[in-house]
Order: sequence, then structure tokens, then C-alpha cells
Amino acid sequence: AQSVAQPEDQVNVAEGNPLTVKCTYSVSGNPYLFWYVQYPNRGLQFLLKYITGDNLVKGSYGFEAEFNKSQTSFHLKKPSALVSDSALYFCAVRDMKGYSTLTFGKGTMLLVSP
Amino acid sequence: GAVVSQHPSWVICKSGTSVKIECRSLDFQATTMFWYRQFPKQSLMLMATSNEGSKATYEQGVEKDKFLINHASLTLSTLTVTSAHPEDSSFYICSALSSTGVHYGYTFGSGTRLTVV
Repeated sequence: AQSVAQPEDQVNVAEGNPLTVKCTYSVSGNPYLFWYVQYPNRGLQFLLKYITGDNLVKGSYGFEAEFNKSQTSFHLKKPSALVSDSALYFCAVRDMKGYSTLTFGKGTMLLVSP
Repeated sequence: GAVVSQHPSWVICKSGTSVKIECRSLDFQATTMFWYRQFPKQSLMLMATSNEGSKATYEQGVEKDKFLINHASLTLSTLTVTSAHPEDSSFYICSALSSTGVHYGYTFGSGTRLTVV
């Protein structure tokens, strides 16, 4: 079975400071990893994905994430947070083989203060 | 990029009536679509997976006779909530899988807020 853990319910950061939203995963084989952002009453917007290749993945809106196989982590980062980054962030994983179903973490609320 | 159009964005219906939610992939063919339900401040709960032309696969605990899913074409999937009750009030989100090479990914609709009164 595949699973995702987002250990923080909420992350608070001041505007202009770097941010990190943590994610660890568990799959039986090689993972496909995704980060999505959700604004209130909206669907999920794609930020970035890791399928294969470079461990450092750059995505939308200045976000990036580093795939760390030994630590089974895929933390989301941004060098300088904006107030408009405040939203709910989801990490998701699926096994490269097998069913195509995504498994989501519980979500982390990011609050960026002015 | 890939776009999934979901309608309606919100709907209010009376208890006992049925509501249909549509999801269309606008610029790609979605052989697989997923339907999720999301409660306030919680993660997405997968309800069912549908493949074009075949019956949907429902997750454990999801009533297939209550939540009817149709995926009749490569660009359209519908979720019908039959005989809706207040406990069905929730945020429903669809997702379509694009499984071609570097464009592999899941595109989500904008969600439907269902309120049953």
C-alpha cells in the first residue's frame, strides 16, 4: 500500500522568508510524486512533480522540491514566501507500477504573514 | 496545459432530488477519471475511479447506487448524486489522468460545492 505523511497541520512564515512544507512517502516500488495547492472553494492546482531524472524539481510560482530516496521525502520549498502563497498544500504519491490512483497527504495549511 | 472543466461550481438542491456534476477534459483525452469528496479542512477522499467505456470502480464504503458515475467518452465523466440528503453536502472534485510521456499528470476540476437542504 502507498501512503503520504504531511507531519505539519500548519506552517507559519513571514513574507520574504524561506518556507518548507514537509512530505514523506511510502510505496512498494518507485514513486511518482506531486505537489498541489488549493485555495478556498477551488480545485487543486498543480505545482510540480517528480517522475524521474534530477532530484531537484522546479515548479510553478517559484516553488521547488527535492526528491530524497534514502529519506523517502519530497519537501516543498520556496526561497522567499509571499502573502499570496497562503493556501492548503497537498503532497501526493503513486507507485510507478500498479494502479494509477493517487494517495494524498492530509494537507498542510501555509500562512504567510505580511 | 491540460484543463478540466467541472460544472456546476456550486449547487443547492432539496433533499430527495438528484444532482449531476460534469467534468470535461478540454484539450486532452482522459482515459481515466477520478472522483473525490472533500470535507472542510480535510484531505481528498477518493470515491471512485472510472475508465472510459467501463464501469466505475468504487472505494470501500462508497454507495455505487447513490453515487452514479458515467464515463461514456474520453472527454466527459459525470457524477450523479441520487436522492440527495443533507449528509451528502460536501465539496466534490474530479481529476483526469493524462498518461502520455512527459505530460504525465493529473489535472483537477475546480470543484463543486453541493448543499442539500
